[in-house]
Amino acid sequence: DIQMTQSPSSLSASVGDRVTITCQASQGINKYLNWYQQKPGKAPKLLISDVSNLEMGVPSRFSGSGSGTDFTLTISSLQPEDIATYYCQQYEDLSILTFGPGTRVDIK
Amino acid sequence: QVQLQESGPGLVKPSETLSLICTVSGDSMRSYYWSWIRQPAGKGLEWVGRMYTSTSINYNPSLESRVTMSIDSSKNQFSLKLTSVTAADTAIYYCARDSGWFDPWGQGIQVTVSS
Repeated sequence: DIQMTQSPSSLSASVGDRVTITCQASQGINKYLNWYQQKPGKAPKLLISDVSNLEMGVPSRFSGSGSGTDFTLTISSLQPEDIATYYCQQYEDLSILTFGPGTRVDIK
Repeated sequence: QVQLQESGPGLVKPSETLSLICTVSGDSMRSYYWSWIRQPAGKGLEWVGRMYTSTSINYNPSLESRVTMSIDSSKNQFSLKLTSVTAADTAIYYCARDSGWFDPWGQGIQVTVSS
Protein backbone atom coordinates (compact mmCIF):
# COMPACT_ATOMS: atom_id res chain seq x y z
CA ASP A 1 0.00 0.00 0.00
CA ILE A 2 1.07 3.57 -0.63
CA GLN A 3 0.93 5.46 2.66
CA MET A 4 0.15 9.17 2.72
CA THR A 5 1.22 11.56 5.44
CA GLN A 6 0.28 15.20 5.91
CA SER A 7 1.75 18.03 7.93
CA PRO A 8 0.84 19.80 9.97
CA SER A 9 -2.12 17.91 11.43
CA SER A 10 -3.67 21.24 12.30
CA LEU A 11 -2.86 24.92 11.95
CA SER A 12 -4.25 28.23 13.01
CA ALA A 13 -3.66 31.29 10.83
CA SER A 14 -4.97 34.81 10.41
CA VAL A 15 -7.20 36.02 7.62
CA GLY A 16 -4.98 36.99 4.72
CA ASP A 17 -2.13 34.68 5.71
CA ARG A 18 -0.46 32.35 3.25
CA VAL A 19 -1.10 28.76 4.31
CA THR A 20 0.87 25.73 3.17
CA ILE A 21 -0.05 22.09 3.74
CA THR A 22 2.31 19.31 2.75
CA CYS A 23 1.54 15.76 1.72
CA GLN A 24 4.11 13.00 1.37
CA ALA A 25 3.70 9.62 -0.27
CA SER A 26 5.62 6.54 0.84
CA GLN A 27 6.71 6.00 -2.77
CA GLY A 28 6.62 7.95 -6.00
CA ILE A 29 3.11 8.61 -7.30
CA ASN A 30 3.91 10.63 -10.42
CA LYS A 31 1.15 13.21 -10.85
CA TYR A 32 -1.62 11.11 -9.30
CA LEU A 33 -2.35 13.32 -6.30
CA ASN A 34 -5.63 15.04 -5.46
CA TRP A 35 -6.75 17.47 -2.74
CA TYR A 36 -10.14 17.73 -1.01
CA GLN A 37 -11.73 20.25 1.32
CA GLN A 38 -14.20 19.06 3.95
CA LYS A 39 -16.25 21.51 5.95
CA PRO A 40 -17.94 20.35 9.17
CA GLY A 41 -21.01 18.23 8.52
CA LYS A 42 -20.44 18.18 4.77
CA ALA A 43 -19.11 15.73 2.23
CA PRO A 44 -15.58 16.32 0.97
CA LYS A 45 -15.23 18.48 -2.10
CA LEU A 46 -12.61 18.01 -4.79
CA LEU A 47 -10.36 21.08 -4.98
CA ILE A 48 -7.41 19.99 -7.10
CA SER A 49 -6.76 16.94 -9.27
CA ASP A 50 -3.47 15.67 -10.68
CA VAL A 51 -1.30 17.84 -8.42
CA SER A 52 -2.24 21.24 -9.79
CA ASN A 53 -5.48 21.17 -11.81
CA LEU A 54 -7.88 23.51 -10.04
CA GLU A 55 -11.48 22.34 -10.27
CA MET A 56 -14.04 24.65 -11.82
CA GLY A 57 -15.39 27.14 -9.32
CA VAL A 58 -12.53 26.75 -6.85
CA PRO A 59 -11.03 30.14 -5.96
CA SER A 60 -7.67 30.92 -7.51
CA ARG A 61 -6.14 31.46 -4.07
CA PHE A 62 -5.88 27.67 -3.92
CA SER A 63 -2.98 26.05 -5.75
CA GLY A 64 -1.14 22.75 -5.75
CA SER A 65 2.38 21.73 -6.63
CA GLY A 66 4.89 18.94 -6.24
CA SER A 67 6.08 15.76 -7.85
CA GLY A 68 7.28 12.28 -6.98
CA THR A 69 6.62 11.90 -3.28
CA ASP A 70 6.26 15.48 -2.00
CA PHE A 71 3.28 17.71 -2.66
CA THR A 72 1.91 21.01 -1.40
CA LEU A 73 -1.47 22.69 -1.16
CA THR A 74 -1.22 26.46 -0.80
CA ILE A 75 -3.88 28.98 0.12
CA SER A 76 -2.39 32.31 -0.89
CA SER A 77 -4.65 34.45 1.30
CA LEU A 78 -6.68 32.61 3.92
CA GLN A 79 -10.36 33.52 4.04
CA PRO A 80 -12.90 32.72 6.77
CA GLU A 81 -14.75 30.36 4.41
CA ASP A 82 -11.57 28.27 4.04
CA ILE A 83 -11.99 26.86 7.54
CA ALA A 84 -12.07 23.13 6.90
CA THR A 85 -10.07 19.92 6.95
CA TYR A 86 -7.96 19.25 3.88
CA TYR A 87 -7.09 15.76 2.63
CA CYS A 88 -4.69 14.56 -0.01
CA GLN A 89 -5.33 11.32 -1.91
CA GLN A 90 -3.24 9.21 -4.27
CA TYR A 91 -4.34 7.08 -7.18
CA GLU A 92 -1.01 5.84 -8.49
CA ASP A 93 -2.07 2.45 -7.14
CA LEU A 94 -5.63 1.99 -8.42
CA SER A 95 -6.03 -1.28 -6.55
CA ILE A 96 -5.98 0.61 -3.27
CA LEU A 97 -6.72 4.31 -3.11
CA THR A 98 -5.46 6.06 -0.01
CA PHE A 99 -5.99 9.38 1.73
CA GLY A 100 -3.75 11.39 3.96
CA PRO A 101 -4.88 11.80 7.57
CA GLY A 102 -6.03 15.36 7.03
CA THR A 103 -5.00 18.87 8.06
CA ARG A 104 -7.43 20.99 10.04
CA VAL A 105 -7.27 24.71 9.26
CA ASP A 106 -8.66 27.26 11.72
CA ILE A 107 -8.69 31.03 11.95
CA LYS A 108 -6.49 32.54 14.64
CA GLN B 1 -25.16 17.66 -13.40
CA VAL B 2 -24.42 14.32 -11.80
CA GLN B 3 -25.84 13.75 -8.34
CA LEU B 4 -25.41 10.81 -5.99
CA GLN B 5 -27.64 9.80 -3.09
CA GLU B 6 -26.95 7.11 -0.50
CA SER B 7 -29.80 5.16 1.05
CA GLY B 8 -30.18 2.33 3.51
CA PRO B 9 -30.67 1.54 7.20
CA GLY B 10 -29.08 3.93 9.65
CA LEU B 11 -28.84 1.29 12.36
CA VAL B 12 -27.39 -2.20 12.02
CA LYS B 13 -26.96 -4.79 14.74
CA PRO B 14 -23.52 -6.24 15.48
CA SER B 15 -22.65 -9.34 13.42
CA GLU B 16 -25.29 -8.47 10.83
CA THR B 17 -24.85 -7.14 7.29
CA LEU B 18 -24.74 -3.47 6.38
CA SER B 19 -26.42 -2.81 3.01
CA LEU B 20 -26.34 0.53 1.22
CA ILE B 21 -27.41 1.73 -2.20
CA CYS B 22 -26.12 4.72 -4.14
CA THR B 23 -28.45 6.15 -6.76
CA VAL B 24 -26.86 8.14 -9.56
CA SER B 25 -28.84 10.79 -11.41
CA GLY B 26 -27.96 13.14 -14.24
CA ASP B 27 -25.62 10.83 -16.13
CA SER B 28 -25.08 7.30 -17.26
CA MET B 29 -23.01 5.02 -15.04
CA ARG B 30 -21.07 3.79 -18.03
CA SER B 31 -17.49 4.87 -18.56
CA TYR B 32 -16.84 5.59 -14.90
CA TYR B 33 -15.70 3.81 -11.80
CA TRP B 34 -17.82 4.21 -8.67
CA SER B 35 -16.51 4.10 -5.13
CA TRP B 36 -17.57 3.87 -1.51
CA ILE B 37 -15.67 5.83 1.12
CA ARG B 38 -16.36 5.93 4.85
CA GLN B 39 -15.52 8.23 7.71
CA PRO B 40 -15.87 7.40 11.41
CA ALA B 41 -16.90 10.31 13.57
CA GLY B 42 -14.04 12.73 14.08
CA LYS B 43 -11.66 10.69 11.93
CA GLY B 44 -10.29 10.66 8.42
CA LEU B 45 -11.48 9.20 5.14
CA GLU B 46 -11.14 5.49 4.35
CA TRP B 47 -11.66 4.17 0.84
CA VAL B 48 -13.80 1.01 0.89
CA GLY B 49 -13.88 -0.13 -2.72
CA ARG B 50 -14.41 0.79 -6.35
CA MET B 51 -16.12 -0.83 -9.29
CA TYR B 52 -16.55 -0.33 -13.02
CA THR B 53 -18.52 -3.42 -13.93
CA SER B 54 -19.37 -6.56 -12.06
CA THR B 55 -16.01 -8.01 -13.07
CA SER B 56 -13.83 -4.97 -12.46
CA ILE B 57 -13.82 -4.39 -8.71
CA ASN B 58 -11.16 -3.47 -6.15
CA TYR B 59 -11.64 -3.59 -2.40
CA ASN B 60 -9.61 -2.18 0.44
CA PRO B 61 -7.57 -5.16 1.62
CA SER B 62 -8.46 -4.35 5.22
CA LEU B 63 -12.14 -4.97 4.42
CA GLU B 64 -11.93 -7.35 1.47
CA SER B 65 -13.08 -10.46 3.33
CA ARG B 66 -16.34 -8.74 4.34
CA VAL B 67 -17.18 -6.43 1.42
CA THR B 68 -19.20 -6.96 -1.71
CA MET B 69 -20.04 -4.28 -4.24
CA SER B 70 -22.47 -4.66 -7.11
CA ILE B 71 -23.94 -2.51 -9.84
CA ASP B 72 -27.35 -2.26 -11.52
CA SER B 73 -26.83 0.03 -14.50
CA SER B 74 -30.47 -0.29 -15.55
CA LYS B 75 -31.46 1.42 -12.31
CA ASN B 76 -28.41 3.69 -12.21
CA GLN B 77 -27.51 2.25 -8.83
CA PHE B 78 -24.57 0.56 -7.18
CA SER B 79 -24.52 -1.07 -3.79
CA LEU B 80 -22.33 -1.98 -0.84
CA LYS B 81 -22.67 -4.95 1.49
CA LEU B 82 -20.47 -5.30 4.54
CA THR B 83 -20.89 -8.45 6.57
CA SER B 84 -20.23 -9.25 10.22
CA VAL B 85 -20.24 -5.62 11.27
CA THR B 86 -18.91 -4.36 14.57
CA ALA B 87 -18.90 -0.99 16.29
CA ALA B 88 -15.74 -0.20 14.33
CA ASP B 89 -17.85 -0.06 11.17
CA THR B 90 -19.90 2.84 12.56
CA ALA B 91 -19.27 5.73 10.18
CA ILE B 92 -20.66 8.06 7.59
CA TYR B 93 -20.64 6.19 4.29
CA TYR B 94 -20.21 8.19 1.10
CA CYS B 95 -20.56 7.12 -2.49
CA ALA B 96 -18.67 8.97 -5.19
CA ARG B 97 -17.89 8.91 -8.88
CA ASP B 98 -14.32 7.73 -9.26
CA SER B 99 -12.01 8.99 -12.00
CA GLY B 100 -8.99 8.42 -9.82
CA TRP B 101 -10.28 11.47 -8.02
CA PHE B 102 -13.66 11.43 -6.31
CA ASP B 103 -16.16 13.86 -7.74
CA PRO B 104 -18.98 14.32 -7.12
CA TRP B 105 -19.81 12.82 -3.73
CA GLY B 106 -23.13 11.91 -2.21
CA GLN B 107 -24.17 13.72 0.94
CA GLY B 108 -23.31 10.67 3.03
CA ILE B 109 -25.36 8.40 5.25
CA GLN B 110 -24.68 7.77 8.93
CA VAL B 111 -24.62 4.08 9.77
CA THR B 112 -24.43 3.08 13.41
CA VAL B 113 -23.68 -0.46 14.53
CA SER B 114 -25.42 -1.09 17.82
CA SER B 115 -27.73 -3.61 19.43
